[in-house]
Amino acid sequence: EAQVTQNPRYLITVTGKKLTVTCSQNMNHEYMSWYRQDPGLGLRQIYYSMNVEVTDKGDVPEGYKVSRKEKRNFPLILESPSPNQTSLYFCASSSQGETQYFGPGTRLLVL
Amino acid sequence: RKEVEQDPGPFNVPEGATVAFNCTYSNSASQSFFWYRQDCRKEPKLLMSVYSSGNEDGRFTAQLNRASQYISLLIRDSKLSDSATYLCAVTDTGTASKLTFGTGTRLQVTL
Repeated sequence: EAQVTQNPRYLITVTGKKLTVTCSQNMNHEYMSWYRQDPGLGLRQIYYSMNVEVTDKGDVPEGYKVSRKEKRNFPLILESPSPNQTSLYFCASSSQGETQYFGPGTRLLVL
Repeated sequence: RKEVEQDPGPFNVPEGATVAFNCTYSNSASQSFFWYRQDCRKEPKLLMSVYSSGNEDGRFTAQLNRASQYISLLIRDSKLSDSATYLCAVTDTGTASKLTFGTGTRLQVTL
């Protein structure tokens, strides 16, 4: 089954404790993206990747890192999480010229 | 001014009604346009792409007005199952790799 998976789905952590949210797709897509969704602000792109080893900042990259060592994986790293990073996070992937498929989301709470 | 704007609603309509949403975008270079549907706390799912000539998929019709820089979504014969948030998304490239989303319009269809 073609899909985008994210782990964990739910996470509660404390300020400053490094965490990684994994994202994996099995559709051989070149493009992958991370978004956060907040009430009243909608979906905002954090980082995106056009292909392996090619990443670029989206609209709200501060406080986040990404890597794209393999085509199928695009982890989101929060080196020192803060409460303003409490949000619902979505990973998405797409093939060139096609629209994006989203993962099920990761709900993060930073205390 | 936001890049992509939508009326947040909610739009409360009875079953069987016709309802229309608009979405305005500020970047005249925008090339690709989409409507996504998002159920509560779930991932966005592509409803339909929006083509210059307009397109229809069953009860759903999408249209693009480049001169006035807006896209529209018309839902005929509303069903209870149409209750969701409808997100419009635009991209200024042809690859749909960097989507900018509106904040969404919530639709509630009632008996």
